[in-house]
Amino acid sequence: GQQLNQSPQSMFIQEGEDVSMNCTSSSIFNTWLWYKQDPGEGPVLLIALYKAGELTSNGRLTAQFGITRKDSFLNISASIPSDVGIYFCARMEYGNKLVFGAGTILRVKS
Amino acid sequence: DVKVTQSSRYLVKRTGEKVFLECVQDMDHENMFWYRQDPGLGLRLIYFSYDVKMKEKGDIPEGYSVSREKKERFSLILESASTNQTSMYLCASSGPTGSWAKKAAGIQYFGAGTRLSVL
Repeated sequence: GQQLNQSPQSMFIQEGEDVSMNCTSSSIFNTWLWYKQDPGEGPVLLIALYKAGELTSNGRLTAQFGITRKDSFLNISASIPSDVGIYFCARMEYGNKLVFGAGTILRVKS
Repeated sequence: DVKVTQSSRYLVKRTGEKVFLECVQDMDHENMFWYRQDPGLGLRLIYFSYDVKMKEKGDIPEGYSVSREKKERFSLILESASTNQTSMYLCASSGPTGSWAKKAAGIQYFGAGTRLSVL
């Protein structure tokens, strides 16, 4: 399947800093999802986006579905140690299959 | 809450062994999926199933097979394990396919994963 380009690959930030990561695709899609995987666990859904331009917040997390429907970003404000993990973007294909980006590894220095 | 349970967190097997990874979900979901996760490659789809006894190949099915005899259970089988199948395996389930207006449809819920080492 077509790949998603997710960046950055990893981040090592200071506690309290804001974080931004993004995901791009060469094709248009209707649904973007952002998942987080805690160490030793399976991914858990953070935010789902269904409309171009949609901006959605979940606590300190904010995600947007790009106007072109080819990209999405996720921001985390005022990071804390429990934000550590791997963040994945995913697009939904026909039949509810998901295609995932390679992930952004987030490490937080306290 | 949706619960997806994978039978083992860690497995160590020898090359050539037949390996079964089991996954059970308790939400009556139609769809179930098996992924493998490798550093820098994200999650890659091995096989999925829309219904009992139905299966579809994902992006990397070679060396794997699956079984779905009951709606709640989806098994991944490595007929003859090889060292390049050492990986983290994740199972997921989701609700009905169909209308995009049903926003909850298609959201996948994951198990905790099975870390398989093939020696």
